[in-house]
Order: sequence, then C-alpha cells, then structure tokens
Amino acid sequence: DAGVIQSPRHEVTEMGQEVTLRCKPISGHNSLFWYRQTMMRGLELLIYFNNNVPIDDSGMPEDRFSAKMPNASFSTLKIQPSEPRDSAVYFCASRPTGGASQYFGAGTRLSVL
Amino acid sequence: DQQVKQNSPSLSVQEGRISILNCDYTNSMFDYFLWYKKYPAEGPTFLISISSIKDKNEDGRFTVFLNKSAKHLSLHIVPSQPGDSAVYFCAASVGNYGQNFVFGPGTRLSVLP
Repeated sequence: DAGVIQSPRHEVTEMGQEVTLRCKPISGHNSLFWYRQTMMRGLELLIYFNNNVPIDDSGMPEDRFSAKMPNASFSTLKIQPSEPRDSAVYFCASRPTGGASQYFGAGTRLSVL
Repeated sequence: DQQVKQNSPSLSVQEGRISILNCDYTNSMFDYFLWYKKYPAEGPTFLISISSIKDKNEDGRFTVFLNKSAKHLSLHIVPSQPGDSAVYFCAASVGNYGQNFVFGPGTRLSVLP
C-alpha cells in the first residue's frame, strides 16, 4: 500500500484566498484524522472521522475551517478565507478498525502570505 | 494547558550510547501511550506503545517505561544510532482505541557519530 497520500505537499497562497488540502487514507482504514503542526502549539488534532462521519470537530479553530469526507477514500480540509496565522504543516492520518496507532501522511506545508 | 509535556526540546547523544526521552502527562484518565518518530519532510511514524496495565514494553532497541504514580513515561534507545536522529513525539489517549490522541511538543534527538 502507498500509505496515506496528501496533496499538495506545499501550498503558498495569499491572505483571503481559499485553500483546499486533500487526503487519501490507506485502503480499509475506517478512521481519518486531520492535524495541524505549528512551532507554538505542536501537533493538534483538528477533526476526526469514523466511517466517513465527523465525530469530533472541537479542534477546528474557527468557522473558516471545514472538513469533509464524501467517501472512504477521500477527505478534504478547506480554509476560507485563509489568514497568515493558518501557516502550518497539516497532517492527515488514518487508522484501521480495531487498531490503535495512526498512520500519517507526509503533510502539506501551507504558507499564507 | 498542555496535557502531555516533553520538557526537553532537544537531546544530543553519542552513537552507541543510551538515549532517554522523557514525557509527563497530567490527565489521570490517560491509559494508553505511544511514541512516534518524525523525520524532516515526513509524517510521524509509530514506534512503540504501552498500556497502563504494564510498566514496560520492549521492541528491539526501543523500550518504553511507564510510571503511573508519577504520570511519567520514558523511551530508551540502546544502542543509539545516527539513523535515530529525528523528532520524537509522545502521545496519550483514553483507551487504546481512544480517538483523541494528545501529542506532546516533541524532542529532537541528535545521535552524533
């Protein structure tokens, strides 16, 4: 398996623009997680899905952030409008049914100018 | 308030010697702990875990020790190798199928040849 695939690897955008980050989890995994990593706050859980259903989005910083999982093989994290303080590395992770550890993608480095 | 703390941002160790990475937690409900390793430009990868019913778990050169009364765990790497140079994250959850992993800020380990 290719592992968790995230795209793009790098995104540079201007303040106010919409940003969409994409994730393809490992096939057969039923849980998907979105994290944000910053120097100040470390690795924070934003939202997770179980069987494509959002279970806990309490980590989503504000209404500008939204996440969807239309099917078991695809998820998006959208920021609209983006702000410079959203600059971070965003990770997606997936986990199999009954498993404990999560498998991370390589991340998307977002820079909002 | 950080629920999972890694008070040493960095650690340097000579090749062949022991590396000891420490982690403290505040939430007494946590009962499952994991260590992840992260190389630059890659996502974190699972290394080793321990349940609160144990006080030690060993996997090759890696051993994790848990002291529940002190709410402290440590990762020992013996012998350390240059390829172990990475950022190590401690993570905790309630239940080994707990959805909400809380990560520490990470410790950057440098193993010097």
